[in-house]
Amino acid sequence: ETGVTQSPTHLIKTRGQQVTLRCSSQSGHNTVSWYQQALGQGPQFIFQYYREEENGRGNFPPRFSGLQFPNYSSELNVNALELDDSALYLCASSRGGGTGELFFGEGSRLTVL
Amino acid sequence: AQSVSQHNHHVILSEAASLELGCNYSYGGTVNLFWYVQYPGQHLQLLLKYFSGDPLVKGIKGFEAEFIKSKFSFNLRKPSVQWSDTAEYFCAAPLGNRDDKIIFGKGTRLHILP
Repeated sequence: ETGVTQSPTHLIKTRGQQVTLRCSSQSGHNTVSWYQQALGQGPQFIFQYYREEENGRGNFPPRFSGLQFPNYSSELNVNALELDDSALYLCASSRGGGTGELFFGEGSRLTVL
Repeated sequence: AQSVSQHNHHVILSEAASLELGCNYSYGGTVNLFWYVQYPGQHLQLLLKYFSGDPLVKGIKGFEAEFIKSKFSFNLRKPSVQWSDTAEYFCAAPLGNRDDKIIFGKGTRLHILP
């Protein structure tokens, strides 16, 4: 048990819709990273939030956006959903400072029809 | 940018066999490397990490990894695997120096036969 919780655990959307995924970080962690994990692939870095500011972004289009709140919880928003967005979305929290130790949630599995 | 690659995508071993999973990295600066593991039905978790110093790093559950700078490798090893080691293993590295933005390899799915 990592203390990182994500919701919802599963959801189904249709192409063109929008989705919001939520993540509560572990107590004492001020950094949240989001990853997309397609079937048979490793997690792909989407972006990271540190103290409510975006702190780096992977190779994902602007329709992937996020927020971090004062309590360090976070949201991932995806607009104009495409079929290829179907994946497991992972949230990870960390203390920052470059320790490299991420604490992952169980993930939100998104299916786009 | 940092990148990592894993050679084996699917490995099947019998219990008590020795394990070595390959990982190569590319980076021009200070090298930090990690192995993460995902057991069936569980979240991704850190297995071990290398920051500096002794190139042989020991992690949880008897796993170890050796950083070989000349080969750009960070292979994961275990002398004798158990059925409970069945999991997916990911080599990982930070995007930048002392960075928590971690990038992952494609993973190796390890299946241990009882």
